[in-house]
Amino acid sequence: KAGVTQTPRYLIKTRGQQVTLSCSPISGHRSVSWYQQTPGQGLQFLFEYFSETQRNKGNFPGRFSGRQFSNSRSEMNVSTLELGDSALYLCASSLTLYSGGTGELFFGEGSRLTVL
Amino acid sequence: GESVGLHLPTLSVQEGDNSIINCAYSNSASDYFIWYKQESGKGPQFIIDIRSNMDKRQGQRVTVLLNKTVKHLSLQIAATQPGDSAVYFCAENPRAGGFKTIFGAGTRLFVKA
Repeated sequence: KAGVTQTPRYLIKTRGQQVTLSCSPISGHRSVSWYQQTPGQGLQFLFEYFSETQRNKGNFPGRFSGRQFSNSRSEMNVSTLELGDSALYLCASSLTLYSGGTGELFFGEGSRLTVL
Repeated sequence: GESVGLHLPTLSVQEGDNSIINCAYSNSASDYFIWYKQESGKGPQFIIDIRSNMDKRQGQRVTVLLNKTVKHLSLQIAATQPGDSAVYFCAENPRAGGFKTIFGAGTRLFVKA
């Protein structure tokens, strides 16, 4: 069974540009969450999607957005990039939401974004 | 806001010794707690979880203890091995609000041979 796949793995952008990151969850998983990981702030929750709907959102500016498609694949977008957006962006999928599942998150290896 | 914090940023142990990683949480409504392990260059991986109606759960070489009175969580690793070297995160999930998992800052475990 394939794990969570994130693309691209590495990318370099300049300030002011925008970026789109992609996540393919484990087959059968309908919940997808995104996290930003930096050395100083640890793992910060960005948003969570289930059945194409954003269920939860973290404390990030509106420049951070996301969406989920009918096949559960998800994308996140960051517009008007700032130096502080340099981070590892992790996507995680889980089997169920609001249905008594365990909530265990299965993470991809992340997309490392560097903003110059 | 709610937070999950760790008492120590780094922990160094001798191979074969037991390791104890501690964590404090602040949301008394959280009913599900998880430990994740993150190795260099990889995403976090699930180690063990515990629900709020339990105070202890054991896995293979790992034990999680939950003390709801003082909002404290700990991960015990028995007979620590070099392969256990990683960053360990505690996380909490107030499942009543869906699966918005909040992570602590992480503790880096070094295992000395």
